[in-house]
Amino acid sequence: NAGVTQTPKFQVLKTGQSMTLQCAQDMNHNSMYWYRQDPGMGLRLIYYSASEGTTDKGEVPNGYNVSRLNKREFSLRLESAAPSQTSVYFCASSPGPYYGYTFGSGTRLTVV
Amino acid sequence: AQSVTQLDSQVPVFEEAPVELRCNYSSSVSVYLFWYVQYPNQGLQLLLKYLSGSTLVKGINGFEAEFNKSQTSFHLRKPSVHISDTAEYFCAVSEESGGYQKVTFGTGTKLQVIP
Repeated sequence: NAGVTQTPKFQVLKTGQSMTLQCAQDMNHNSMYWYRQDPGMGLRLIYYSASEGTTDKGEVPNGYNVSRLNKREFSLRLESAAPSQTSVYFCASSPGPYYGYTFGSGTRLTVV
Repeated sequence: AQSVTQLDSQVPVFEEAPVELRCNYSSSVSVYLFWYVQYPNQGLQLLLKYLSGSTLVKGINGFEAEFNKSQTSFHLRKPSVHISDTAEYFCAVSEESGGYQKVTFGTGTKLQVIP
C-alpha cells in the first residue's frame, strides 16, 4: 500500500521555466491538497480538490495551477517559476474531515 | 477565522525526561484537532486527533494530548522521550467548510532529544 506518491523528489529550475509536480494516491480518498512548507511558516495551502472534478484556491495560489486528473491524481503546475517558489511541496489526501491527512514525502524545489 | 499558535519553536529535552509541546487555537466553530510529526526529509505523519468525547487522547509512539476547551489548548505530552522522538511536531485545527476539510497548521515545534 503506497499511500501518497509524489514525483519528483528533487528539482532545480531556472527562473521562468515551467514544471509539473505529480501526486497520486491509492486509498480512494475524495479530497486532495497541495501545500508548501517554508522555514518558520508551517504549511500553507496552495490548492485543494474536495472531490474529483473540482479544484479551489487555498491561501497562496498565485503562480500555480492544478489539475485533478481523476480520483487518484492531483498535479501542481508552475507556469513560470520564480525564486520565491523555492520551497518543499507536499501533497496530501483525506477521506473526510474526521480522519486527518495522509502526506506524500515531498518535492524539494529550488528556483535559481 | 481559525488560527493555531505553537508557542515554542524549539524544545530541547534530555532523553527519558517528560516533554510538553504547547498548542493554542482559535476558531469560531467546533473544530477537530490534530498533531502531526515530521522526521527529517519526510512528510508529515498523523500522531493523534481529537474529534469529540474524552478530552485525553492517545496516539502513536506513546504520545498523548489533552483538549482544553476553556483554554483553547491542545498540548502534546510524552512522559519519557527517546532519541527517536527528535523531529518537528505540528499542531493543526480543522473545521468543515463547504464539504471539505479546512485545515490550518501551526508553525511547528522542533523537539531535540539530548542523549
